Amino acid sequence: DAKTTQPPSMDCAEGRAANLPCNHSTISGNEYVYWYRQIHSQGPQYIIHGLKNNETNEMASLIITEDRKSSTLILPHATLRDTAVYYCIAGGSNYKLTFGKGTLLTVNP
Amino acid sequence: GAVVSQHPSWVICKSGTSVKIECRSLDFQATTMFWYRQFPKQSLMLMATSNEGSKATYEQGVEKDKFLINHASLTLSTLTVTSAHPEDSSFYICSATKDRGAEQYFGPGTRLTVT
Repeated sequence: DAKTTQPPSMDCAEGRAANLPCNHSTISGNEYVYWYRQIHSQGPQYIIHGLKNNETNEMASLIITEDRKSSTLILPHATLRDTAVYYCIAGGSNYKLTFGKGTLLTVNP
Repeated sequence: GAVVSQHPSWVICKSGTSVKIECRSLDFQATTMFWYRQFPKQSLMLMATSNEGSKATYEQGVEKDKFLINHASLTLSTLTVTSAHPEDSSFYICSATKDRGAEQYFGPGTRLTVT
């Protein structure tokens, strides 16, 4: 899997959009970008993934730059329940996921 | 859809005993299941990958004779920690995928404490 770089922590006000960046400059052409999150003491939760095009689902939007070297996960209206560690993973071509340290997103009231 | 369960959610055992953890995909057939371990304040570390009916593939540094994995059906995988020691105390999490390369769905995790 390609190495990813995420800020260790971010804050966001409740109701505002949370934009979580991820750098994956060494990503190869067939590697996807996956986003998961982990709420304290729970198993990770799948959020979204994409290859080249921007993606949107009921949870979030994923914006991937044209050169695919970085991406941004957008939670459009953050709630307190979105407080979690968010992991960006570039890879999966061999169906394995390598988790880094992720970004601790704290949503404040 | 795509719900994965684990049992038990937590377990305390004595040093030297064995503990079995079950992972089930409740509403889909899982072609591949994965087992992770997570120590406090650390990220998830992949231990092994298992496919139904075949032997598990272990990551480097994971003792296959200590962490026995059985993937008996398309909906059930088990992890047995044999001769557990206090350093095996950790949060064990399984995941399952419908297809190779597809997104993984994680169980809620099992907290193991070895005394």
